Amino acid sequence: GQQVMQIPQYQHVQEGEDFTTYCNSSTTLSNIQWYKQRPGGHPVFLIQLVKSGEVKKQKRLTFQFGEAKKNSSLHITATQTTDVGTYFCAAWGNQFYFGTGTSLTVIP
Amino acid sequence: DAGVTQSPTHLIKTRGQQVTLRCSPKSGHDTVSWYQQALGQGPQFIFQYYEEEERQRGNFPDRFSGHQFPNYSSELNVNALLLGDSALYLCASSFLQGEAFFGQGTRLTVV
Repeated sequence: GQQVMQIPQYQHVQEGEDFTTYCNSSTTLSNIQWYKQRPGGHPVFLIQLVKSGEVKKQKRLTFQFGEAKKNSSLHITATQTTDVGTYFCAAWGNQFYFGTGTSLTVIP
Repeated sequence: DAGVTQSPTHLIKTRGQQVTLRCSPKSGHDTVSWYQQALGQGPQFIFQYYEEEERQRGNFPDRFSGHQFPNYSSELNVNALLLGDSALYLCASSFLQGEAFFGQGTRLTVV
């Protein structure tokens, strides 16, 4: 069945360093969504990408959708302690699949 | 404008019992989805309701069932609880497959 894998599983960075998480699917995706979940919280929608090769930016966050629509990435420039949390990609197939998530720790 | 609300926030049940969790969607949303999130894992899709019908379902046994009411609110029922059902249960509302707004979740502990 469809799987959405993310790497890395964990990432520790010094405040001010950049961070990237990668999402890979075994099948072509119609679109992909990204969510952030703070410790003890619930997932919060960040963005949806639809078009092949699409790039969207939200302040320090840059989201990309691969040309083949099988992969995506989230890049954070100059991390801050407020960026701490787990970042999930998610996509619809015959059900809604969440990626395995990347847990980001930012060291002040 | 209230977001997605879930009740109760915490619940402790005994193995073999049944539980009902409730969700009120964000105002204007007509689609409700339910997820199970075990500690340290990503949310796992249970099912989605639209127009009072189950539209899509994840890989969960028939012990997990649901309902959507005419006002779009929804219930998740789990029968014959197992220890492994202990998790955070999240409800999310949306317009069909668009951006999902999640509730705070119900923390279910089965003892």
